[in-house]
Amino acid sequence: KNEVEQSPQNLTAQEGEFITINCSYSVGISALHWLQQHPGGGIVSLFMLSSGKKKHGRLIATINIQEKHSSLHITASHPRDSAVYICAVTGGGNKLTFGTGTQLKVEL
Amino acid sequence: GAVVSQHPSRVICKSGTSVKIECRSLDFQATTMFWYRQFPKQSLMLMATSNEGSKATYEQGVEKDKFLINHASLTLSTLTVTSAHPEDSSFYICSASPQPLGVGGDSPLHFGNGTRLTVT
Repeated sequence: KNEVEQSPQNLTAQEGEFITINCSYSVGISALHWLQQHPGGGIVSLFMLSSGKKKHGRLIATINIQEKHSSLHITASHPRDSAVYICAVTGGGNKLTFGTGTQLKVEL
Repeated sequence: GAVVSQHPSRVICKSGTSVKIECRSLDFQATTMFWYRQFPKQSLMLMATSNEGSKATYEQGVEKDKFLINHASLTLSTLTVTSAHPEDSSFYICSASPQPLGVGGDSPLHFGNGTRLTVT
């Protein structure tokens, strides 16, 4: 079993839909990161969370430390949001452990 | 914002040759940089942690003599794939942070754009 599990693995949505991607982890962490990987491979860091909730534009990330669970929400989704979204956690030694990613496709 | 530059973005080499990949932090100093590898349709896997002025720390299963890491300055780390073989074909990406991961800040992770290596 992976230390970081994401769901769903694949998601297709219609433009404008509200999207939720979930991440569960089984290890103690100091922080959780949400990353966006574009088709060319480049990775952008969206959020770093250690508690509570953060919001950037149409993106919202929440974390529940007790339940070891985080969610990434996208409001009013758009085709340009199509990408792979990766959850990663920082544990001991500053190392990142990655989830397997969620492939999101937003259609017109 | 902070930028990490990775070069080259794509390289094709013959089996048995060596390939060097550079990772530079353009507007901040990074005492630590990380090198990852990603096979198609798979998750990123940490290969090694590059420490400025000292030896890199390799993850289990990563051959340190095959993947040479040099972090000679606070803004540059290099990964050299020595005697490359077709099974080394992969997407290699680096990241750096101006501060230790998980310590304050908003989104301190900064990634290079990656290098797609094809060994023929």
